[in-house]
Amino acid sequence: GQSLEQPSEVTAVEGAIVQINCTYQTSGFYGLSWYQQHDGGAPTFLSYNALDGLEETGRFSSFLSRSDSYGYLLLQELQMKDSASYFCAVRESWGKLQFGAGTQVVVTP
Amino acid sequence: EAEVAQSPRYKITEKSQAVAFWCDPISGHATLYWYRQILGQGPELLVQFQDESVVDDSQLPKDRFSAERLKGVDSTLKIQPAELGDSAMYLCASSNRDRGHEQFFGPGTRLTVL
Repeated sequence: GQSLEQPSEVTAVEGAIVQINCTYQTSGFYGLSWYQQHDGGAPTFLSYNALDGLEETGRFSSFLSRSDSYGYLLLQELQMKDSASYFCAVRESWGKLQFGAGTQVVVTP
Repeated sequence: EAEVAQSPRYKITEKSQAVAFWCDPISGHATLYWYRQILGQGPELLVQFQDESVVDDSQLPKDRFSAERLKGVDSTLKIQPAELGDSAMYLCASSNRDRGHEQFFGPGTRLTVL
């Protein structure tokens, strides 16, 4: 079957580092995207990995291992505004994304 | 900054009524997506358009849902008749033809079926 697994919730203090893991089992795989969604807001694109390795975008980094069907999103120097839900999404075909259930990140002072 | 527009933002209806949602994608984006998001879950793709053609509607409940993008620009999603289980956020997104991994989402329509 098709599935994406990520933790439901992570709590950390301001300034800390958080890693959100995502394992997947899908019928097709072109790459792994990450999206952020604040309460009541729309998902916004964060990063994308098509090849193995680490992609860095400011305080956020994303990693992919295709052989392990695994990826993670790393949030560094956590800020209060980073409190949100984070979704991994597999690009199954040229345009289709299958989203995970999301990880709620709670940042505390 | 270009944005995806959706209307209405909120819709309350009674079961068995018809509802329609409208989406205007970012100008130039060939690909348009309709998603349904239930609270606490990730977005689920309902239908994907490439220009005016449907390329994926495998998860669209076709007995009650329909979608169109007649001129390859804006799009309408319709539910008739609405059921209690249709209460959810309906999100529209768009992307460039070859950048489906980077989708731009609209603010969504929050549907409540009573």
